[in-house]
Amino acid sequence: QKEVEQNSGPLSVPEGAIASLNCTYSDRGSQSFFWYRQYSGKSPELIMSIYSNGDKEDGRFTAQLNKASQYVSLLIRDSQPSDSATYLCAVNGPNFGNEKLTFGTGTRLTIIP
Amino acid sequence: NAGVMQNPRHLVRRRGQEARLRCSPMKGHSHVYWYRQLPEEGLKFMVYLQKENIIDESGMPKERFSAEFPKEGPSILRIQQVVRGDSAAYFCASSPDKSYGYTFGSGTRLTVV
Repeated sequence: QKEVEQNSGPLSVPEGAIASLNCTYSDRGSQSFFWYRQYSGKSPELIMSIYSNGDKEDGRFTAQLNKASQYVSLLIRDSQPSDSATYLCAVNGPNFGNEKLTFGTGTRLTIIP
Repeated sequence: NAGVMQNPRHLVRRRGQEARLRCSPMKGHSHVYWYRQLPEEGLKFMVYLQKENIIDESGMPKERFSAEFPKEGPSILRIQQVVRGDSAAYFCASSPDKSYGYTFGSGTRLTVV
């Protein structure tokens, strides 16, 4: 099992709809969870962080964490063409090494106008 | 407040040459991380440093790769005797604390010819 697993996509979503991105992780002791957005040829950009079970909302973005299921997701409401990018899930935990983030391979999202 | 500064943005080296990649963290950030991203792959951890100390180098190849973060000046990732397989995007990130998400620099794209 991969340490951090994401569906590689591509995921295509019509403009204005909700995009749902999923991530599972193997280390039950993981404590911090992050979503990064990476445009092609650019560097990753932190868009959401979540540390406790439940939902966290920031504008059009909602992160959801379920530690019992070892699952974290990102919802993007009212999807815009500018949301088309690769979304990286990253996890920090004791078995990964508290000092570093372990990344999934990313989900490529395309918003269709 | 300038972000994480990396230079050069693009670096071309012939096989057998040395590559030196530089990273200046954000002001106030004392934690520096280097990651490598191969085409169509996720970010792979290489090394974590604080000033004058290598904290975790578990992701660094044992040979040809070294990193430092001196008391004064930027962090340096050095690759000796480069080979074609070293061609990748190398990202530096910094954070104020190991429990926070990273801020990434724009990356150095190394091409070995």
